[in-house]
Amino acid sequence: GQNIDQPTEMTATEGAIVQINCTYQTSGFNGLFWYQQHAGEAPTFLSYNVLDGLEEKGRFSSFLSRSKGYSYLLLKELQMKDSASYLCAVGGSNYQLIWGAGTKLIIKP
Amino acid sequence: DVKVTQSSRYLVKRTGEKVFLECVQDMDHENMFWYRQDPGLGLRLIYFSYDVKMKEKGDIPEGYSVSREKKERFSLILESASTNQTSMYLCASRSSTPGQGNYGYTFGSGTRLTVV
Repeated sequence: GQNIDQPTEMTATEGAIVQINCTYQTSGFNGLFWYQQHAGEAPTFLSYNVLDGLEEKGRFSSFLSRSKGYSYLLLKELQMKDSASYLCAVGGSNYQLIWGAGTKLIIKP
Repeated sequence: DVKVTQSSRYLVKRTGEKVFLECVQDMDHENMFWYRQDPGLGLRLIYFSYDVKMKEKGDIPEGYSVSREKKERFSLILESASTNQTSMYLCASRSSTPGQGNYGYTFGSGTRLTVV
């Protein structure tokens, strides 16, 4: 079967760094996506990795290891507005996205 | 920017009613999707459409149908609403051609449907 695992909830402190992990087992692989979703709102695109390595975009970075079926999203200099759910999704063999259940990130002052 | 617009943010319907959820995108995308999102379950695909008048079942199509008469509009229909269809419904449009780089989805703002 196809499976994407990520922690249900994480807590971090404003100004700190947090790493959200995602492991996946899918029948095909056509890229890995991270989305941010604030409560009651639609998911918005954060990052896309198709090759191994680290992609950096401002305070956010995303890492991929295809051989390990593993990705992480790294958030630096946390701000209160980063409190949200972070969704990991994998493009399967038909290019449709397979979604994890999301990680709720709580930022404390 | 691609815009995906869902007609209602909040809806309350009675059990047994026929419910229409509308979604319109303005970037001439072929691919459109309907998801429902429930706590702890993530996004689950109900139906998708690769082009006008084309539709494919997703993972949880039971109790739903769809209509794609025009390229920009993808409608989700609950034939006879039930309380277990209370959920957040999200429409999405695909942002580029798969296999040609980032093909991530753009989502509408969602419709929170309550069936009483």
